[in-house]
Amino acid sequence: GAVVSQHPSRVICKSGTSVKIECRSLDFQATTMFWYRQFPKQSLMLMATSNEGSKATYEQGVEKDKFLINHASLTLSTLTVTSAHPEDSSFYICSAPQYGSSYEQYFGPGTRLTVT
Amino acid sequence: TQLLEQSPQFLSIQEGENLTVYCNSSSVFSSLQWYRQEPGEGPVLLVTVVTGGEVKKLKRLTFQFGDARKDSSLHITAAQPGDTGLYLCAGPFLDSNYQLIWGAGTKLIIKP
Repeated sequence: GAVVSQHPSRVICKSGTSVKIECRSLDFQATTMFWYRQFPKQSLMLMATSNEGSKATYEQGVEKDKFLINHASLTLSTLTVTSAHPEDSSFYICSAPQYGSSYEQYFGPGTRLTVT
Repeated sequence: TQLLEQSPQFLSIQEGENLTVYCNSSSVFSSLQWYRQEPGEGPVLLVTVVTGGEVKKLKRLTFQFGDARKDSSLHITAAQPGDTGLYLCAGPFLDSNYQLIWGAGTKLIIKP
C-alpha cells in the first residue's frame, strides 16, 4: 500500500516557539494532503486541506496564521505551529488520498506535540 | 448536512466474544471506509465498501454496506486482544476534493 511518512514523531517545545511538521508521500504523488488534529480517545478533526501550488483551505475555527501550511511539492506538505502554547499540545496527523481509490486515504504515523 | 454516527463509542469485552460496530447516516454515500488506529499511530485503512449490500471479509472481520448505502457495520468474530484499537468509519463528502467525513470512533478493548 501507499506510504506516508511524518516527521518528527514526537516534539517538545517551549511556549512561544514555532514547530514544523513534515508530511511526505513516499511512493506516490499527492496534489492534496490533509492535516488532522486528534484529542485523546477521540476521532480525527480536519484542520485544513493542503493543495500543491496553491493556498491551503482551512476548516472553520482553525487559525490560518497560527497553523501555516505549505505544500511545496507533489510529495511534501508542512504544517508549522507558530507561537505554540500549551493548548496546542495534541496529536497531529497528515494523510494523502491515492487518486482513483475511492477516496481512500493513507495516513502518516502522527506527531505528538507537547508545548511546555 | 452529511453526518456519520458511529456506535457504540466504547466497548470492552472478553477475548472470544463477538461484537458489531455500526456506522449510520441519513445521507447516501458513494462508499464507506473503515480504519483502525492504535495508540500513538495513524489510522490504517481496513476496507472500503462501494456497492449497496456488499459484504467484505478480512479474516475474522466482516464488513457490510447497507443496501441503500446509508450505513455500514463491522462484525468481529471471536475477538482477540490484538483487535484492540480505535475503529473509525469514514465516507466522502459530496463534491469534495477527496475530503472525508468521519464517525466519532469506537474504542474497542479486548480483555484476555
